[in-house]
Amino acid sequence: KNEVEQSPQNLTAQEGEFITINCSYSVGISALHWLQQHPGGGIVSLFMLSSGKKKHGRLIATINIQEKHSSLHITASHPRDSAVYICAVPPYSGGGADGLTFGKGTHLIIQP
Amino acid sequence: ETGVTQTPRHLVMGMTNKKSLKCEQHLGHNAMYWYKQSAKKPLELMFVYNFKEQTENNSVPSRFSPECPNSSHLFLHLHTLQPEDSALYLCASSQEASENYEQYFGPGTRLTVT
Repeated sequence: KNEVEQSPQNLTAQEGEFITINCSYSVGISALHWLQQHPGGGIVSLFMLSSGKKKHGRLIATINIQEKHSSLHITASHPRDSAVYICAVPPYSGGGADGLTFGKGTHLIIQP
Repeated sequence: ETGVTQTPRHLVMGMTNKKSLKCEQHLGHNAMYWYKQSAKKPLELMFVYNFKEQTENNSVPSRFSPECPNSSHLFLHLHTLQPEDSALYLCASSQEASENYEQYFGPGTRLTVT
């Protein structure tokens, strides 16, 4: 079964800093998901990617399938980016099971 | 109303009660999911329904009973729960039950078992 490791677990930064959150997984996949969870619990899907890089506003997600590694970057960070960022992957290689398995999340705080 | 909705948003129940959580999606999706998020733990998949058929039961105790009457509605029936079942229960939907489709989450039901 896929094991997901995220780092760092907690990150506090100043407004404007460039943020990087990392995700590693153990079993080959076809797609990786990055999610954002705000205080109160609501979860929003940020990216789903299977190769290369995707960009949405100040958020950039990259993935290296061969190295089983993905990164989420935030440029010009802002206090409203404070949230928990979660990486999720399929539980098994090649399908065979529906749903996702999740990392423990990175708790990000951006201070003004 | 759009997106994925869940009711109730908060629920307190005793161990002998029976209650149900409801999820509804207005996105025309064919797959729906129940996830559990306990304090200090990662999200855990509980159940998956694809085209109204249950495709995953992630070793969930029988005191949790899902029901999917149609592709837009998903229920989680609860009975004789334990205090350790207190958690945030999240519903999600996607076009189909595959990792290649983005999942859309509801706001969750925060459950407290006393």
